[in-house]
Amino acid sequence: GAGVSQSPSNKVTEKGKDVELRCDPISGHTALYWYRQSLGQGLEFLIYFQGNSAPDKSGLPSDRFSAERTGGSVSTLTIQRTQQEDSAVYLCASSLASGQARNTIYFGEGSWLTVV
Amino acid sequence: AQSVTQLGSHVSVSEGALVLLRCNYSSSVPPYLFWYVQYPNQGLQLLLKYTTGATLVKGINGFEAEFKKSETSFHLTKPSAHMSDAAEYFCAASYSGGYQKVTFGTGTKLQVIP
Repeated sequence: GAGVSQSPSNKVTEKGKDVELRCDPISGHTALYWYRQSLGQGLEFLIYFQGNSAPDKSGLPSDRFSAERTGGSVSTLTIQRTQQEDSAVYLCASSLASGQARNTIYFGEGSWLTVV
Repeated sequence: AQSVTQLGSHVSVSEGALVLLRCNYSSSVPPYLFWYVQYPNQGLQLLLKYTTGATLVKGINGFEAEFKKSETSFHLTKPSAHMSDAAEYFCAASYSGGYQKVTFGTGTKLQVIP
């Protein structure tokens, strides 16, 4: 696609429910990132994918968070048993290839999650 | 560990005044450097980036940044602020290390006063 596409753009969920956030990266981009942006905070790295594998999951805040990527394209971030502190904007980004520090990372518009 | 520091979480300037947003990185090896802008309720958009070559980099919307290795800085400037520049600005440093590791600063929110 022309840009990184994320869905849903907004999600309100009840505490304790599971949510899935979807990311469709730019076509041909093999690297995919998930970040979290809480109100008034910077960007918190969550996980990185190269193809379908995730060599760096170090940013996932707890075992309630998981992510997968299939076909080297679409990725899903799943948050189980949501808590109020999970309320944030979840940003997905992609870039052309791994290991190339000069690559531009392109961001989606984000998925705004509110846990009530 | 690599880090990116943005001085000032909030900066206010008058319309038409100089914009200066500060960014310093901390690493032994100079990284590639980026500035992103985030308008309200939107994702991040690339303003400009420094990879190699000329240390003064020009970006979109009249912004530019200068890489100064001796000062480990990559400050963002614009000669004359416009109301439409009101947004949050993020500095980022990118390193190679198996994969492209990108570290973001905490952001600077720019307010433009008419």
